[in-house]
Amino acid sequence: NAGVTQTPKFRILKIGQSMTLQCTQDMNHNYMYWYRQDPGMGLKLIYYSVGAGITDKGEVPNGYNVSRSTTEDFPLRLELAAPSQTSVYFCASSSSDGGYNEQFFGPGTRLTVL
Amino acid sequence: KQEVTQIPAALSVPEGENLVLNCSFTDSAIYNLQWFRQDPGKGLTSLLLIQSSQREQTSGRLNASLDKSSGRSTLYIAASQPGDSATYLCAVRHAGTASKLTFGTGTRLQVTL
Repeated sequence: NAGVTQTPKFRILKIGQSMTLQCTQDMNHNYMYWYRQDPGMGLKLIYYSVGAGITDKGEVPNGYNVSRSTTEDFPLRLELAAPSQTSVYFCASSSSDGGYNEQFFGPGTRLTVL
Repeated sequence: KQEVTQIPAALSVPEGENLVLNCSFTDSAIYNLQWFRQDPGKGLTSLLLIQSSQREQTSGRLNASLDKSSGRSTLYIAASQPGDSATYLCAVRHAGTASKLTFGTGTRLQVTL
């Protein structure tokens, strides 16, 4: 199992450009999440999904969009990149809700907006 | 709103020393608490998960405790090694919500030779 994979690893964007961060998991997990981590800070939840076709906002959703057409994939889209979106983005998944289920994380995408 | 605090923010210890990392949270209505390790430039690796009904969990040299009523958890690392050097994050999963985690800001640990 590859677990949770993310592409690209690094990206530099100009202000106003758009891009999609890809996330795929091969563990057949229903729950998937996108977090961002700013320097010296903990992770903040952007969006999450409880299954294909179902998504919901987290703590910091402004400036982002998501879709979940399959169980495996959960892409995150930035439509108009802003310097405030410079961060490291992590995708995670878990098998279901409930107390016993750990979240498994991808290696992250480091995004810089200039 | 749940807030998670980790103290200290950074810690340096000599190899072989036992150490304790602290995590506190403001809302005791949690499903579980998870401790993660993060190496520089890498993703998060789950170390231990404690259910809200549990008091502690152990994995090798790691022991995590949970006192839900007082909003505190500790991660105990025995006989520290240079390979333990990393940032350690705790995160609480809220009860009654769709698996959302609230993270602390982490403790950066350096174990010196």
